[in-house]
Amino acid sequence: EGQLLESGGGLVQPGGSLRLSCVASGFTFNTYVMNWVRQAPGKGPEWVSGISASGNSEYYVDSVKGRFTISRDPSKNTLYLQMNSLRVEDTAVYYCAKGDSGGWYTFDIWGQGTTVTVSS
Amino acid sequence: DIQMTQSPSSLSASVGDRVTITCRASQNIINHLNWYQQIPGKPPKLLIDTAATLQSGVPSRFSGSRSGTDFTLTISSLQPEDVAIYYCQQSYGTPPSFGGGTKVDIK
Repeated sequence: EGQLLESGGGLVQPGGSLRLSCVASGFTFNTYVMNWVRQAPGKGPEWVSGISASGNSEYYVDSVKGRFTISRDPSKNTLYLQMNSLRVEDTAVYYCAKGDSGGWYTFDIWGQGTTVTVSS
Repeated sequence: DIQMTQSPSSLSASVGDRVTITCRASQNIINHLNWYQQIPGKPPKLLIDTAATLQSGVPSRFSGSRSGTDFTLTISSLQPEDVAIYYCQQSYGTPPSFGGGTKVDIK
């Protein structure tokens, strides 16, 4: 079974930037859609962004459009999320999640998450 | 965007009880509905996809069903290890969206 390991979270001031990484293992990374899902403290999960297996298509939730960029590097089996112009409301645990073989948005493998805190 | 309304928000039941959680979609999502289990401090775990397909390794006491835009997760005999928060999620449209969650604990 596959595994995902996120890194890159931390404390950042409003308006700052962070880049999250997610290293995949145990499955053929470049054949699956990958996603980022976040969970604010005490809240339910919220999908943030998804990228096609080829990397040619990307989708974002409206609240992060123009601020976040998803990308992937098949040579490193790594998914990224570049987060700019961070806001207090972006504070959350960020998970990377693999799309299953049936489509984009069934998340069959999750990482353990990396915590992003946006605060002055 | 598609809204997912989940009920109840919490429940308390005895070991061995039958537990039912409901999720209603704001529009037709066919059977593109998934159920996740989340134990605090852990990531969500996929239990059921396409409304009724149990994932490998998930106990058979879990089951899912659909009636129109209403979906149900049933635990046929609640066990102590089932204490968790359960979320429904539609995978039909972009953005995919989650229900508000149901916290299940033991009475």
